[in-house]
Amino acid sequence: EPEVTQTPSHQVTQMGQEVILRCVPISNHLYFYWYRQILGQKVEFLVSFYNNEISEKSEIFDDQFSVERPDGSNFTLKIRSTKLEDSAMYFCASSDIAGASNEQFFGPGTRLTVL
Amino acid sequence: AQRVTQPEKLLSVFKGAPVELKCNYSYSGSPELFWYVQYSRQRLQLLLRHISRESIKGFTADLNKGETSFHLKKPFAQEEDSAMYYCALKKLTGGGNKLTFGTGTQLKVEL
Repeated sequence: EPEVTQTPSHQVTQMGQEVILRCVPISNHLYFYWYRQILGQKVEFLVSFYNNEISEKSEIFDDQFSVERPDGSNFTLKIRSTKLEDSAMYFCASSDIAGASNEQFFGPGTRLTVL
Repeated sequence: AQRVTQPEKLLSVFKGAPVELKCNYSYSGSPELFWYVQYSRQRLQLLLRHISRESIKGFTADLNKGETSFHLKKPFAQEEDSAMYYCALKKLTGGGNKLTFGTGTQLKVEL
């Protein structure tokens, strides 16, 4: 069964450094998402992406964040200058349709630790 | 604004006992409600959605618009049900696919 994959599983970085988190969505999916979960808190929506552009983003997704689909398979989340509070689990998800009843399939997550 | 509340962080039941995981939501429009489950060391996966009105692994959930609730129920808990359960909400119409999650309830089924 196709799955969303994410790399790396754990990323440790110094405050102020740039990080790129990578995701490979399910191959025939058209909608892509990033969520994050700070330890002990809820899963929070960051951004959705369709047709090579951002379709929706949350307040968390400020100028420090960007997303890209550089080729036909990868979907990346870049944090330009990491802060301590960016430490979290980052989940990528994808779906094949929008609207009612679309199921979002989640990746296993990347744990980002900012020191 | 959309909000999902799961009042219990941890729910501990004995095997064979009934389970009810509570979920309340706040949303002014028509919502679509989901339950996602995360087993130990596994990814988040969809358990069920209110639109399908299905029973998955013995779990059911009914959307109660009057009480703005979508509680997850199972008549007889099994050991393999131990997991983290998240209630989530999405707009039913009007576009947008973002899921708004609750804080989750850890279900522990004891022998």
